[in-house]
Amino acid sequence: QKEVEQNSGPLSVPEGAIASLNCTYSDRGSQSFFWYRQYSGKSPELIMFIYSNGDKEDGRFTAQLNKASQYVSLLIRDSQPSDSATYLCAVNMRVGYALNFGKGTSLLVTP
Amino acid sequence: GAVVSQHPSWVICKSGTSVKIECRSLDFQATTMFWYRQFPKQSLMLMATSNEGSKATYEQGVEKDKFLINHASLTLSTLTVTSAHPEDSSFYICSASPGGPQHFGDGTRLSIL
Repeated sequence: QKEVEQNSGPLSVPEGAIASLNCTYSDRGSQSFFWYRQYSGKSPELIMFIYSNGDKEDGRFTAQLNKASQYVSLLIRDSQPSDSATYLCAVNMRVGYALNFGKGTSLLVTP
Repeated sequence: GAVVSQHPSWVICKSGTSVKIECRSLDFQATTMFWYRQFPKQSLMLMATSNEGSKATYEQGVEKDKFLINHASLTLSTLTVTSAHPEDSSFYICSASPGGPQHFGDGTRLSIL
């Protein structure tokens, strides 16, 4: 069974703080890693993707990948109440393949 | 950016009814689309891979005779839930990619009474 593990939360951070979301995966053959944001009742929205070890930054978001440790994380700087959502970590063997999702981490940003 | 359209967004129907859900890639062609199902407070679970011009590939435990998939063109895949029952009530979401990350449709919330 190929697992993608996330802490379900809720993770509560004050407005303006950094939110750190973590994900581990079991399949060492995984090549592509994604973070999706899902608001209640809505479909997932792509936030970040990363393919290589290291950090990738896009605005307030930074994805970090460590394939040796089978670990991927998402940092959200200057968190806003509108960032409150469930964040889904997803991996696949190759771009274009189906995604294997974690159960998601619920993030609550308090004003 | 890539747009995936899904229709309808909400369906309420009686037990025994068959329901068709459409997934369209609006600005790109997709030889492969994916169908996921999400139960309340659960993550997305892959149901099947829809392949243009050939049979769909179903995940273990998904009944292919109950969840009929047709990928008749490079921009359209349909999922038909046949003889739906209350336990089929769920959030059904499709995805496709123009190359790169998958993009999701808005989902279809199916409620079977």
